[in-house]
Amino acid sequence: SQQGEEDPQALSIQEGENATMNCSYKTSINNLQWYRQNSGRGLVHLILIRSNEREKHSGRLRVTLDTSKKSSSLLITASRAADTASYFCAVWDSNYQLIWGAGTKLIIKP
Amino acid sequence: GAGVSQSPRYKVAKRGQDVALRCDPISGHVSLFWYQQALGQGPEFLTYFQNEAQLDKSGLPSDRFFAERPEGSVSTLKIQRTQQEDSAVYLCASSTGTSGTRYNEQFFGPGTRLTVL
Repeated sequence: SQQGEEDPQALSIQEGENATMNCSYKTSINNLQWYRQNSGRGLVHLILIRSNEREKHSGRLRVTLDTSKKSSSLLITASRAADTASYFCAVWDSNYQLIWGAGTKLIIKP
Repeated sequence: GAGVSQSPRYKVAKRGQDVALRCDPISGHVSLFWYQQALGQGPEFLTYFQNEAQLDKSGLPSDRFFAERPEGSVSTLKIQRTQQEDSAVYLCASSTGTSGTRYNEQFFGPGTRLTVL
């Protein structure tokens, strides 16, 4: 069963624009992680935000976490063609298993 | 340095055949995870090893699935009598965390795409 749910399912934007993806989850969490997956590099960890953090930055990435709403967002600023990929959020459930959403497919148009 | 490697990258099996998928984790990583990823979906947890001990196998979908990590490094996921519904990408990941600190970042291999005809 999948815990996280990302939306939108798919997003297509022009290069240089910002992309925002959202994730909702059901359980209480220790942390929430975002991963990127593309055919070239497989599944790659992007950023981890702990349950006591509200916002975190890494390069062009900005992640927010609202534990009261059980939701998180990933913002990619100044998008590039290389950002084309699927983006997944993942949370640890009470059984210490990392549970994943179905992902957002992001396409950056040149 | 070397990342997680998996072999084979692609496997086509006839229904009923047995298959074995190999994972070489990052050297020194204590934790190893197997996931199954269907097309268009996120990964789903199969099993977890801490060193050679299989601490959680609750995600294995049936008793046809078996995983081992006998020396605490390389791991093999075996699927017996494959069925069409077993077609998926099988991902292996490793991390430095132990059961007490298992919330660490996971490093993934490229996956094995299994197609059962």
